[in-house]
Amino acid sequence: DAKTTQPPSMDCAEGRAANLPCNHSTISGNEYVYWYRQIHSQGPQYIIHGLKNNETNEMASLIITEDRKSSTLILPHATLRDTAVYYCIVRPTGANSKLTFGKGITLSVRP
Amino acid sequence: GAVVSQHPSWVICKSGTSVKIECRSLDFQATTMFWYRQFPKQSLMLMATSNEGSKATYEQGVEKDKFLINHASLTLSTLTVTSAHPEDSSFYICSAGGQTGAGPQHFGDGTRLSIL
Repeated sequence: DAKTTQPPSMDCAEGRAANLPCNHSTISGNEYVYWYRQIHSQGPQYIIHGLKNNETNEMASLIITEDRKSSTLILPHATLRDTAVYYCIVRPTGANSKLTFGKGITLSVRP
Repeated sequence: GAVVSQHPSWVICKSGTSVKIECRSLDFQATTMFWYRQFPKQSLMLMATSNEGSKATYEQGVEKDKFLINHASLTLSTLTVTSAHPEDSSFYICSAGGQTGAGPQHFGDGTRLSIL
């Protein structure tokens, strides 16, 4: 079973920031938070991951609460191409550890 | 960045035939690869973990004799759906493990399998 919970859907206006929440209240000390997204009929695309510090890359920012029980993925300027299902996943370290996908959150970016 | 290539991207075949799907890590070596299946409007479900040079580890409920996995090299894993039937029609996706402990897995573009 997935160890994360996400709202089923949300939408935002093009050009605005999209803030996607995720709860992972049972996260363990050695587990990282990963975000992937899946555009229809494609394989999941890696976005970002973090352990406890906030992270930023060219795609997004990841804000993790101090107690690590929740996080928020921020797409600073959403475009229509960001419409996708976004998955928040917790995974322990180790190249062989699994990714367990939940239902994700469907983000719809409107013009 | 790390790239995982999957082939073919789609295949249509008759019931009873076997279908082989390839997953390659193009710019890194992967001792572990993962195979997922996704039905319409559902999330990805892990089928098995493919281990280079050893037997695959299957998730509960996945028939190992039905879904044969071979990981003969550090850059190639194959999934063969044997004696495929219409209920095996699905979207099959592979991923390759991160190169470091916390490194992200990267996914292929998936294979859409349709059994007539």
